[in-house]
Amino acid sequence: DTGVSQDPRHKITKRGQNVTFRCDPISEHNRLYWYRQTLGQGPEFLTYFQNEAQLEKSRLLSDRFSAERPKGSFSTLEIQRTEQGDSAMYLCASSLGAGPQETQYFGPGTRLLVL
Amino acid sequence: GQSLEQPSEVTAVEGAIVQINCTYQTSGFYGLSWYQQHDGGAPTFLSYNGLDGLEETGRFSSFLSRSDSYGYLLLQELQMKDSASYFCAVEVTFGTGTKLQVIP
Repeated sequence: DTGVSQDPRHKITKRGQNVTFRCDPISEHNRLYWYRQTLGQGPEFLTYFQNEAQLEKSRLLSDRFSAERPKGSFSTLEIQRTEQGDSAMYLCASSLGAGPQETQYFGPGTRLLVL
Repeated sequence: GQSLEQPSEVTAVEGAIVQINCTYQTSGFYGLSWYQQHDGGAPTFLSYNGLDGLEETGRFSSFLSRSDSYGYLLLQELQMKDSASYFCAVEVTFGTGTKLQVIP
């Protein structure tokens, strides 16, 4: 069990560019979550998958954000036409079980800075 | 909507006991989780209460009262390494976080 991994760990981009982040969950975990966290705040839910199905998206997730988990394993989060307000830590978490009350295991996060 | 409220900061002395409170308003409720996050690190799971009462895990305990929509995390025998942010969570909604500073 190698834990949840995320790539890249840091990303600096210019406003208007597209960025894509990858998350590899714990191998047997069926649920995968994406969160955004800004300094001094708690993780803010973006979306989650059960296997390959995207079951819920936050209303905060604008149409510039898209996430996929094509084979029910790793997931990608893409942000199109980045804005300075997108600067944040993007966290991925995974869990095993049928409900969101199951323990979530977080990856180290991808820190995004939009200039 | 869902919201969880916590004190923003708490300071306590090494070796002492500290309680971090969490009040919640949620449309659905399975239980209350607690996570610890050190600066620059990822949140890590500490404790979960699915039923009313106290759950104990080593130096950490967590309490839940469903009727009061309230819970707390109790940290005993505080150590310097306990300085971190602590979040309560209901499903995918996290609280505002409490920054704990442990002083000598």
